[in-house]
Amino acid sequence: QKEVEQDPGPLSVPEGAIVSLNCTYSNSAFQYFMWYRQYSRKGPELLMYTYSSGNKEDGRFTAQVDKSSKYISLFIRDSQPSDSATYLCAIDSNTGNQFYFGTGTSLTVIP
Amino acid sequence: DAMVIQNPRYQVTQFGKPVTLSCSQTLNHNVMYWYQQKSSQAPKLLFHYYDKDFNNEADTPDNFQSRRPNTSFCFLDIRSPGLGDAAMYLCATSRDRQIYEQYFGPGTRLTVT
Repeated sequence: QKEVEQDPGPLSVPEGAIVSLNCTYSNSAFQYFMWYRQYSRKGPELLMYTYSSGNKEDGRFTAQVDKSSKYISLFIRDSQPSDSATYLCAIDSNTGNQFYFGTGTSLTVIP
Repeated sequence: DAMVIQNPRYQVTQFGKPVTLSCSQTLNHNVMYWYQQKSSQAPKLLFHYYDKDFNNEADTPDNFQSRRPNTSFCFLDIRSPGLGDAAMYLCATSRDRQIYEQYFGPGTRLTVT
């Protein structure tokens, strides 16, 4: 079983839609949960990170963690064509040696 | 602007011909990482330096080596590239071992012919 699983998509939505991206993980030891955005042929860019369960909001983006279900989500409100990218979740045990990326979900927002 | 820079952006090498990829950072971060990312796959950590302390992932092939001559620079050496080594190579940095705040460079796309 992989440490973190992510649906690769692709996901295609119309401009203005609410997007939901999700990952599941296997080990309850993981404490930090990150979302990265990766545009084509570019390096990943950290969008948000959360610690423990709950929600964190930053503009149109909301990260949600449910540790009881080992489930993390990223919501994008009022999606824009510029949001078209691959979104990678990542998890970290904060021990310095357990850090894993999901495979990424490819998102296209159609104008 | 402080950033992570990778050169070259695109590298073509021949099967078995050694190649070196470079990374530099102006963030003055202690930790530098090298990842390999193949198409539609997650980035895979190869190794990282915490200052001068080198940490190799258990499944990183011996064919891959790294050097960090100073805080700002880190190199990835592939001694004998195979066709399976064609990938995007990403360099990242973090201030400390809080690797949830990694900053990535744009990557070097390696082609092996």
